[in-house]
Amino acid sequence: GAVVSQHPSRVICKSGTSVKIECRSLDFQATTMFWYRQFPKQSLMLMATSNEGSKATYEQGVEKDKFLINHASLTLSTLTVTSAHPEDSSFYICSAKQAGGGETQYFGPGTRLLVL
Amino acid sequence: AQKITQTQPGMFVQEKEAVTLDCTYDTSDPSYGLFWYKQPSSGEMIFLIYQGSYDQQNATEGRYSLNFQKARKSANLVISASQLGDSAMYFCAMRELTSYGKLTFGQGTILTVHP
Repeated sequence: GAVVSQHPSRVICKSGTSVKIECRSLDFQATTMFWYRQFPKQSLMLMATSNEGSKATYEQGVEKDKFLINHASLTLSTLTVTSAHPEDSSFYICSAKQAGGGETQYFGPGTRLLVL
Repeated sequence: AQKITQTQPGMFVQEKEAVTLDCTYDTSDPSYGLFWYKQPSSGEMIFLIYQGSYDQQNATEGRYSLNFQKARKSANLVISASQLGDSAMYFCAMRELTSYGKLTFGQGTILTVHP
């Protein structure tokens, strides 16, 4: 099946710093990538939809200036958590939809962010 | 209203037995897709099975089958011959025609397989 990677897998940062998370589709082209946030033992909440070459579409309640998304190529999307605070600590997971076909979204392994 | 409902927070099953995880959905779109994902403690989301709303037959993938009852708006996952490695969180998700590919997830069911 299609493989999606995320980097880093874990990150600990100080409050006020920015953190960049990368999501890559390794063996397919993804015109659309999605970013989710998950709190412990809860469901995935969609944050934004990232389309290659255009601005991301954010879900209601998600701060665009806080969570910057860039989808620079057909295989890479990045999420930057700006001026991180302890409440931003969470599990961030991306998914990618294969260009040209298929309903399935393939998920990355996720990134655990801890803001001190 | 919840679009995807998983009413079983936790389920237990004996190894080698079959187990059914419930999922009901709510949509007015004529075309939609239903997915099941498995999330082990490591956090990765593993795609298990997909059912399209117009598919005539229930989807099957190895030990996984989807019991699709369109009139009841249910899409239960059946795992046959449970294995210890099946212990994980399981999520049901839906993609609606008007959602531009976005998935809506249920609350999840934690499955524990006992030896």
